[in-house]
Amino acid sequence: QTVVTQEPSLSVSPGGTVTLTCRLSSGSVPSNSYFSWYQQTPGHAPRTLMHTSTTRSSGVPDRFSGSILGNEAALTITGAQADDECDYYCAAYLGGGIWVFGGGTKLTVL
Amino acid sequence: QITLKESGPTLVKPTQTLTLTCTFSGFSLSTGGESVAWIRQPPGEALEWLALIYWDGAPRYSPSLKTRLTIIRDTSKNQVVLTLANVDPVDTATYYCARKPPSAIHFVFWGPGTLVSVSS
Repeated sequence: QTVVTQEPSLSVSPGGTVTLTCRLSSGSVPSNSYFSWYQQTPGHAPRTLMHTSTTRSSGVPDRFSGSILGNEAALTITGAQADDECDYYCAAYLGGGIWVFGGGTKLTVL
Repeated sequence: QITLKESGPTLVKPTQTLTLTCTFSGFSLSTGGESVAWIRQPPGEALEWLALIYWDGAPRYSPSLKTRLTIIRDTSKNQVVLTLANVDPVDTATYYCARKPPSAIHFVFWGPGTLVSVSS
């Protein structure tokens, strides 16, 4: 079974830069553009941040950027702000109509 | 304006079948390429993709849960129904439905979620 691994927790200073990663444990995605990222604040539904690995969703600030290298996707926050403190999830589309989410990263801004 | 909203019981007993309904507006699941997914999140845990149904009614299921899941659509009511058989306390979670638009490989619009507890 394919597992997607994310850092359980990361911290960043206000104004700093942090990179969250998302790695497939086995196999490969059909295309390296099949990762997406979601942001979730406590008690709320996830919000789509990034799709096709590197494209920001509508309304997402440009301090969020995505990159991809092989079976690993990355979400970089440049100039972190206090309200970036929340949970981040990546999802990989495996093909055949099957998705898998990562375990999530809890980001602390301090 | 696109909206999705989940509904169903807040409490089910172990071994029962859980039935959840996603009622949506602003798009049609009859339109080619549209699909709706179900994703759940146990309290304090990660998101888990469960199932998806395409505009043509074709279902897709998480390999780990496929023997217990059924997803169907009712295009006349703009609803997608998910059933999870033989529930266990580990199925306690907030269940979300989300839209995957045509040509997209990500989930764009999410419902607010509904919390379901499994307990005797």
